[in-house]
Amino acid sequence: NAGVTQTPKFRILKIGQSMTLQCTQDMNHNYMYWYRQDPGMGLKLIYYSVGAGITDKGEVPNGYNVSRSTTEDFPLRLELAAPSQTSVYFCASSYLGQGNEQYFGPGTRLTVT
Amino acid sequence: KQEVTQIPAALSVPEGENLVLNCSFTDSAIYNLQWFRQDPGKGLTSLLLIQSSQREQTSGRLNASLDKSSGRSTLYIAASQPGDSATYLCAVSSIGGGTSYGKLTFGQGTILTVHP
Repeated sequence: NAGVTQTPKFRILKIGQSMTLQCTQDMNHNYMYWYRQDPGMGLKLIYYSVGAGITDKGEVPNGYNVSRSTTEDFPLRLELAAPSQTSVYFCASSYLGQGNEQYFGPGTRLTVT
Repeated sequence: KQEVTQIPAALSVPEGENLVLNCSFTDSAIYNLQWFRQDPGKGLTSLLLIQSSQREQTSGRLNASLDKSSGRSTLYIAASQPGDSATYLCAVSSIGGGTSYGKLTFGQGTILTVHP
């Protein structure tokens, strides 16, 4: 199993540009999450999904959108990028029936200038 | 709102020492607690998961305990090694309505340095 994979690893955006961060898991997990981590801080939840077609907001959803059309994929869309969105983005997945242990991808480092 | 605090923020120890990292949370109605390791520039690796009904979990030189009533967890690392140097993060999953079980609230982490 590849686990949780994320692309791209790094990206530089100009203010106002848009992009999609990709996340795929091959563990047949029902729950998927997007977090952001700012320097010296813990992770904060942006959005999560409990299954295909079902998404909900986390702690810091403004400026982001998500969709989940399949069990495997959970892309995060940034519209009109702002410097405040400079961060490291992590995708994670879990299976509620297995104690909900979360497995994380390697992250995407995004800089908005 | 659940809040998670980790103490100390940073810790530097000589190789071979036993050490304890602390995690406290404000709402004792938790589903589980998870300890992670994060190496610089890398993702998170799950170390131990403790369900709300459990008191401790062990993996190799690591032992995590959970005291739900007092809102505390500790991660004990025995015979520390330079390879243990990393940031250690504590996260709790709170009991909530509907789909809230999966949501983790993270502490800010403890930066551990083990020097030879």
